[in-house]
Amino acid sequence: ETGVTQSPTHLIKTRGQQVTLRCSSQSGHNTVSWYQQALGQGPQFIFQYYREEENGRGNFPPRFSGLQFPNYSSELNVNALELDDSALYLCASSLAGSGGSNYGYTFGSGTRLTVV
Amino acid sequence: GESVGLHLPTLSVQEGDNSIINCAYSNSASDYFIWYKQESGKGPQFIIDIRSNMDKRQGQRVTVLLNKTVKHLSLQIAATQPGDSAVYFCAEHSGTYKYIFGTGTRLKVLA
Repeated sequence: ETGVTQSPTHLIKTRGQQVTLRCSSQSGHNTVSWYQQALGQGPQFIFQYYREEENGRGNFPPRFSGLQFPNYSSELNVNALELDDSALYLCASSLAGSGGSNYGYTFGSGTRLTVV
Repeated sequence: GESVGLHLPTLSVQEGDNSIINCAYSNSASDYFIWYKQESGKGPQFIIDIRSNMDKRQGQRVTVLLNKTVKHLSLQIAATQPGDSAVYFCAEHSGTYKYIFGTGTRLKVLA
């Protein structure tokens, strides 16, 4: 059984650019959640995807968007990058029931994004 | 904003001693809580969980205590080992789709 894999592991972008981060969910999981973790802070919820649709969203602007594919993998896209977007971006997969609620997360190791 | 706060940002303990990490959570309606361990360069790793209808749960060398009256969680690690050095987060399950994490406590195990 494979865990959650994220790519790339590290990335440097210039302010104003766009970035796409990728996540492959754990085998058997159908839900993907994305979190932003600033240095020295706890992860902050960005959004969750279930059945290829956004299932919930945290306090992040629309320039943060995502996709989920039929194989349950996911992408996080950030447009018009700002310096404060520099963080570790974590993907977590889980298995949700028909109601969309879920409990057990498996996290990937994250993508370290640096905006300069 | 919403958050799960921690009382101690850094905790140093002697190897072999017991560690206690505390956490205050914000939402009295939260139904499920998890403690995560995060080592440098890695994502959070599940340690132990507890549902709101319980007040104590034990795992291997770890115990989680839940006090819903004061919205408080604690993680107890018995016989702390060097490999326990990491940042520990508590997280509360809020609503149907997200967890709220605290800022974390760094545990340092002294030889």
